[in-house]
Amino acid sequence: DAGITQSPRYKITETGRQVTLMCHQTWSHSYMFWYRQDLGHGLRLIYYSAAADITDKGEVSDGYVVSRSKTENFPLTLESATRSQTSVYFCASSPSGARTDTQYFGPGTRLTVL
Amino acid sequence: AQSVTQLDSQVPVFEEAPVELRCNYSSSVSVYLFWYVQYPNQGLQLLLKYLSGSTLVESINGFEAEFNKSQTSFHLRKPSVHISDTAEYFCAVSEAAGNKLTFGGGTRVLVKP
Repeated sequence: DAGITQSPRYKITETGRQVTLMCHQTWSHSYMFWYRQDLGHGLRLIYYSAAADITDKGEVSDGYVVSRSKTENFPLTLESATRSQTSVYFCASSPSGARTDTQYFGPGTRLTVL
Repeated sequence: AQSVTQLDSQVPVFEEAPVELRCNYSSSVSVYLFWYVQYPNQGLQLLLKYLSGSTLVESINGFEAEFNKSQTSFHLRKPSVHISDTAEYFCAVSEAAGNKLTFGGGTRVLVKP
């Protein structure tokens, strides 16, 4: 039972490069989320998706793009990476939405932008 | 817009001592409240949540949290901590009418022998 996985776990890239972080869940959960975790800020929502082909912005979506062609996958792309996007990125999923549901988190991707 | 404040960024505590982590939120509507725990080098996992009913909720590993609507708080407590409780703890809020979680800044608990 793999649950929710993220790849790569660690990534170093350079300013201006495009980077894609992958997220895969095996539960067929409807909702998926991307967060970034920065010291002192907790987790901040980047994007979320209620179902395949339905996505919506969170509070820090500038510079990020998502897609969700299949229920189980929710990749996050940094179109032109900046140093301010150095962070730990967490993917999460929940069965039917965040109001009362538990969110299940992946192990995270630590991204460094040089 | 809702916001969540965790007043303590770090809490050092000795093993077998009690600990309290404070969480206050601001929201003009009904909310659901969560505590998540992040062990070193891992993702977050749910510790406990308040949806309705009894204002005191408990986890399977001895933590409890009390929802206080008048003080807009959801403080987390454990009467006797173990070394294995060393982790970062996040309070989170979702509004009844919304579908997103808002997290606090986190409290890092370091349990010392």
